[in-house]
Amino acid sequence: QVQLVQSGAEVKKPGSSVKVSCKASGGTFSGYAIYWVRQAPGQGLEWMGGIIPMSGPADYAQQFQGRVTITTDESTSTAYMELNSLRSEDTALYYCARALNYYDSSGYWGQGTLVTVSS
Amino acid sequence: EILMTQSPATLSVSPGGRATLSCRASQSVSSNLAWYQQKPGQPPRLLIYGASTRATDIPARFSGSGSGTDFTLTISSLQSEDFAVYYCQQYDKWPPLTFGGGTKVEIK
Repeated sequence: QVQLVQSGAEVKKPGSSVKVSCKASGGTFSGYAIYWVRQAPGQGLEWMGGIIPMSGPADYAQQFQGRVTITTDESTSTAYMELNSLRSEDTALYYCARALNYYDSSGYWGQGTLVTVSS
Repeated sequence: EILMTQSPATLSVSPGGRATLSCRASQSVSSNLAWYQQKPGQPPRLLIYGASTRATDIPARFSGSGSGTDFTLTISSLQSEDFAVYYCQQYDKWPPLTFGGGTKVEIK
């Protein structure tokens, strides 16, 4: 059974960066896309980007280009999402998810990591 | 970027009733569409992929249909655990893999 376990909650100052990790277990890591999706309080789901560990590089949604970096470490089956130049509007739950088949729907989800941006 | 529009925003249904949720894409996504269910405090759960294929362990009362630009999720007989928010997502063209804005299914 595929499981994704994310790092813990973070509180950050405006202008700083945050790096969230997502460790996968129970399945093949390299051949399936890992996505990052965020959800602001009371809002819907927003796709940030995705990467296939064995292929790279990552794809990003236009609104995050230049501010987000998604990477993977195949040796530890871990994916990372780093978001720079944080602002209050980045306060959200950040989820990692794994594709069901290569690069398609998100069949498996992490528990979410709350990132709070506050001065 | 493909825009996904869900309707209605909120749907009030009685337990045991039928719910029909719509999702429209701004251009054809073939059958590359998924539906997710999200309950408060939980991550989304995949219900349907390929527009009509139920994911593992999803009850048969959930069904998906459509192709191209118009899709429907039907919940045939709503159980108490089905009251939640439902999202559609296209994965035909990326980036990005866009989500719809969601439909909240509430108790009538």
